[in-house]
Amino acid sequence: GGIITQTPKFLIGQEGQKLTLKCQQNFNHDTMYWYRQDSGKGLRLIYYSITENDLQKGDLSEGYDASREKKSSFSLTVTSAQKNEMAVFLCASRDWGTDTGQLYFGEGSKLTVL
Amino acid sequence: GDSVTQTEGQVALSEEDFLTIHCNYSASGYPALFWYVQYPGEGPQFLFRASRDKEKGSSRGFEATYDKGTTSFHLRKASVQESDSAVYYCALGDSGTYQRFGTGTKLQVVP
Repeated sequence: GGIITQTPKFLIGQEGQKLTLKCQQNFNHDTMYWYRQDSGKGLRLIYYSITENDLQKGDLSEGYDASREKKSSFSLTVTSAQKNEMAVFLCASRDWGTDTGQLYFGEGSKLTVL
Repeated sequence: GDSVTQTEGQVALSEEDFLTIHCNYSASGYPALFWYVQYPGEGPQFLFRASRDKEKGSSRGFEATYDKGTTSFHLRKASVQESDSAVYYCALGDSGTYQRFGTGTKLQVVP
């Protein structure tokens, strides 16, 4: 088995601040994802990375940057936090070697902007 | 573009009730369809998937059948328990690279 670790679990920032979320996985999976979870809106894809040093934009990439410098880690940066923004950011990875193609998620990082 | 629609935002049931959570999709071909469950404070967990017409996926007493004709993958369980209280997400496999999720359905089961 493996685990996805997201840090920090809670992040509080000021409007206009640049904020970074980190994700580590020890599954040795090639592909990693960042989703944003808002109440009533489900999970929306921000960025994904098929392999190390690859970056692909999702539906919600505006206002975010991502970085995949190592296979095991995937970072997400909120470039300018918006006031009253509150969401949970979920990191996931995928095992292409199994039939299911399921995603494995971390526990999430909750962002609050004051 | 491809999309997934979950019509129920919340469902409230009593223990031993029958559960149906509706999931409809819009996509060409035969995309893979998934169900995930999320408990409070945790990330979503994979329940099961299906990728062919009439294929049934199942896990933990939950099941869903891929229906190309009605573009649906409804989640059902014959007898829910309080421990099934969670948020359930239907997802669509998009070109094999990422998954597109529905808005989620919060299930509350009272004893």
